Amino acid sequence: QMQLQESGPGLVKPSETLSLMCTVSGGSINSRSYHWGWIRQAPVKGLEWIGNIYSSGSTYYNPSLKSRVTISADMSKNQFSLKVISVTAADTAVYYCARITITSTGWIAFDIWGQGTMVTVSS
Amino acid sequence: DIQMTQSPSTLSASVGDRVTITCRASQFINSHLAWFQQKPGRAPKLLIYKTSTLESGVPSRFSGSGSGTEFTLTISSLQPDDFARYYCQQYDSYTWTFGQGTRVETK
Repeated sequence: QMQLQESGPGLVKPSETLSLMCTVSGGSINSRSYHWGWIRQAPVKGLEWIGNIYSSGSTYYNPSLKSRVTISADMSKNQFSLKVISVTAADTAVYYCARITITSTGWIAFDIWGQGTMVTVSS
Repeated sequence: DIQMTQSPSTLSASVGDRVTITCRASQFINSHLAWFQQKPGRAPKLLIYKTSTLESGVPSRFSGSGSGTEFTLTISSLQPDDFARYYCQQYDSYTWTFGQGTRVETK
């Protein structure tokens, strides 16, 4: 069974860059059967889609975050990453990575999630 | 951007009740609609994808229906383990969106 695990600093200073990694085990991120995504959840708030990276390498981002977000993949390490620049307190949230499965009949969005990692933006 | 509006925001129910949550999309999204359950401190769990397909291992008391812009999640007989927050999510366009969530609480 594939598993996803987020990692990265739990505390980031305002105006700095938030960097998180998602390590995939039990399968390859290079597989054409999967795409990958990032989602976040601010304290006592709902889920917010951040963006996806497709197996082709194409990326798509939430328009409200697009100017500050980059998602990339490192096939050699079986990881994909999230960078958010110029963070503020509004970026404080639990960040999740998740898998998107591609089947012959369509996509299964976010069928496997990491456990999430809390990131606090504070000086 | 496609906006997703869930209702109600909070639902009070008892064990055994039939529960329905509605999700409305601001534009046509084909059948590209998923439902997730989230419990406090836990990652969301996929319940249903492609509007009505039950994810493996999800109890059959959960069902999804709808088309176009109107979708529903139904729990046929609410169980103690079902008290949680539920989210719909559209994945029709290149940019995806979640509904704001529905909290199912004990009456």
